[in-house]
Amino acid sequence: EAQVTQNPRYLITVTGKKLTVTCSQNMNHEYMSWYRQDPGLGLRQIYYSMNVEVTDKGDVPEGYKVSRKEKRNFPLILESPSPNQTSLYFCASSLTGNYGYTFGSGTRLTVV
Amino acid sequence: AQTVTQSQPEMSVQEAETVTLSCTYDTSESNYYLFWYKQPPSRQMILVIRQEAYKQQNATENRFSVNFQKAAKSFSLKISDSQLGDTAMYFCALTNDMRFGAGTRLTVKP
Repeated sequence: EAQVTQNPRYLITVTGKKLTVTCSQNMNHEYMSWYRQDPGLGLRQIYYSMNVEVTDKGDVPEGYKVSRKEKRNFPLILESPSPNQTSLYFCASSLTGNYGYTFGSGTRLTVV
Repeated sequence: AQTVTQSQPEMSVQEAETVTLSCTYDTSESNYYLFWYKQPPSRQMILVIRQEAYKQQNATENRFSVNFQKAAKSFSLKISDSQLGDTAMYFCALTNDMRFGAGTRLTVKP
């Protein structure tokens, strides 16, 4: 089944403890992107990647890191999480951006 | 910079009636694509409909259709014969960097 797999689905962590949210797609898509969703703000792009080893900042990149060492994987790293990073996070991929994105199931992150 | 604006935070409609969700956007690109996504309470993001800017014909997918006004930079979604399962957040999005609006929460009432 063609899909984007995100893990974990739920995560509660403490301020400052490094964490990684994994994202993998099995569709050979070039484009991958991370979003955070907050009430009243919609989905805001954190980082995106148009190909292996190519990543770019989105609208809200502060406090996040990504890497794209393989085409299928695009992990999101929070080196020192803070409470304002409590949010719902989505990974998404697309063959080209013009056909829309396929989304993962989301990760609900709470930083206390 | 590209922007997407959804000015209706919440809307409601009676089952079987028609509702229209609004979206305006701004882009300097000459060719682009517009999307509507649905997010039900399960939180999964589902692509509802896609419109290519260079096509004048409005896209239609079953009960979902759009009114695309390129000059006005408007892209509204019409849902006909609303069903309880249409209750969801609806997001308008614009390529090439898949920028999203803030969303409209639609409630379909029995």
